[in-house]
Amino acid sequence: GAGVSQTPSNKVTEKGKYVELRCDPISGHTALYWYRQSLGQGPEFLIYFQGTGAADDSGLPNDRFFAVRPEGSVSTLKIQRTERGDSAVYLCASSLVIAGDGTQYFGPGTRLTVL
Amino acid sequence: AQSVTQPDIHITVSEGASLELRCNYSYGATPYLFWYVQSPGQGLQLLLKYFSGDTLVQGIKGFEAEFKRSQSSFNLRKPSVHWSDAAEYFCAVGSHSGNTPLVFGKGTRLSVIA
Repeated sequence: GAGVSQTPSNKVTEKGKYVELRCDPISGHTALYWYRQSLGQGPEFLIYFQGTGAADDSGLPNDRFFAVRPEGSVSTLKIQRTERGDSAVYLCASSLVIAGDGTQYFGPGTRLTVL
Repeated sequence: AQSVTQPDIHITVSEGASLELRCNYSYGATPYLFWYVQSPGQGLQLLLKYFSGDTLVQGIKGFEAEFKRSQSSFNLRKPSVHWSDAAEYFCAVGSHSGNTPLVFGKGTRLSVIA
């Protein structure tokens, strides 16, 4: 079946603009995660959804970052007043809760460049 | 706090040679451990995972990893490297309770030479 998909694959914006990044998880996966990967680093956790609610948003760096998952499937990561330091690859992952096996499957990512 | 250390930033091996990528973790309970591979411009692909049971786990593409609790390690190995294995490799740790965020190492970049 289809894997995790993310759109757009690349996004270039100007400092101060608003951006939205979309994630379509694997069908039926109840858990959805957002990570951010800066150049030369491993992915860093941003926020985790179980169903429609954010179970853990402790990784969001500040209140310019917000994410929603209104119907428990597609999620949108929203960044207000973008800064050059927000430039990174934003990765989405999903998982299915089965007897504690929370293996996460990742999408290809959205590369965000803030000029 | 959970953490993962991958001591080698970059490794170069000859095609056909054996490979071992190191991973050490810090975790307060029994961890879930993962190795992912990332090719340039691509997302993360799961190579293998350890949840419980046999400490030697087999993955895709001929990779294996061994969980050593006494050393807090989960090193990745492959007996014979192919040029297509050139990529970035990430070790990650998660909670045994299931769906929790993963903590990743900084990655090891593998180059393969003829």
